Amino acid sequence: SAVISQKPSRDICQRGTSLTIQCQVDSQVTMMFWYRQQPGQSLTLIATANQGSEATYESGFVIDKFPISRPNLTFSTLTVSNMSPEDSSIYLCSVDLQGVSGIWTYNEQFFGPGTRLTVL
Amino acid sequence: DAKTTQPPSMDCAEGRAANLPCNHSTISGNEYVYWYRQIHSQGPQYIIHGLKNNETNEMASLIITEDRKSSTLILPHATLRDTAVYYCIVGHQGNNDMRFGAGTRLTVKP
Repeated sequence: SAVISQKPSRDICQRGTSLTIQCQVDSQVTMMFWYRQQPGQSLTLIATANQGSEATYESGFVIDKFPISRPNLTFSTLTVSNMSPEDSSIYLCSVDLQGVSGIWTYNEQFFGPGTRLTVL
Repeated sequence: DAKTTQPPSMDCAEGRAANLPCNHSTISGNEYVYWYRQIHSQGPQYIIHGLKNNETNEMASLIITEDRKSSTLILPHATLRDTAVYYCIVGHQGNNDMRFGAGTRLTVKP
């Protein structure tokens, strides 16, 4: 298993500013993921962050708006840039641990508690 | 593109079994079925996964049909703390990101 913490747990920000969210894992992991969950909605994958390489962004998300850092195997940051009220969401990071069952590999993801962002 | 279909909401009486269905008719042979749940104001929590055999752990049982096109998550004795949104996800072998659909909002009532 993996224990994940996020900072801050919540924040209220002004339009046009930026916020950097930190994600810390208690073990070394290759892949980390950033999700957004808008009010009343399901989770949407923003990007996948591998240590030592550029993050891979999903359709509808761009690096200029959501720059990601992955300096080592236990840490990542997501910045929400030039915020608008539409960016008000919960932002979650997760990590993937692989297991083996016979000839198959499977994936189990562990999620952080989330960062609740409100943009005024 | 969640690849799964779930009812938007269900109710269950406390102490009774909660049976949550999921359709995944386009599942391929090397894809697992995963179940997660999200209790209000928390991150999603892994429950169980399976490939083709039925599975059971301390939290739940997973029943997968023989053709693997649908599955059912069973919480044998639901408690009020099981009230949450339950997500059924189909994941490729070796693929790492989880694509969440809308899930089923389960409400356990006293």
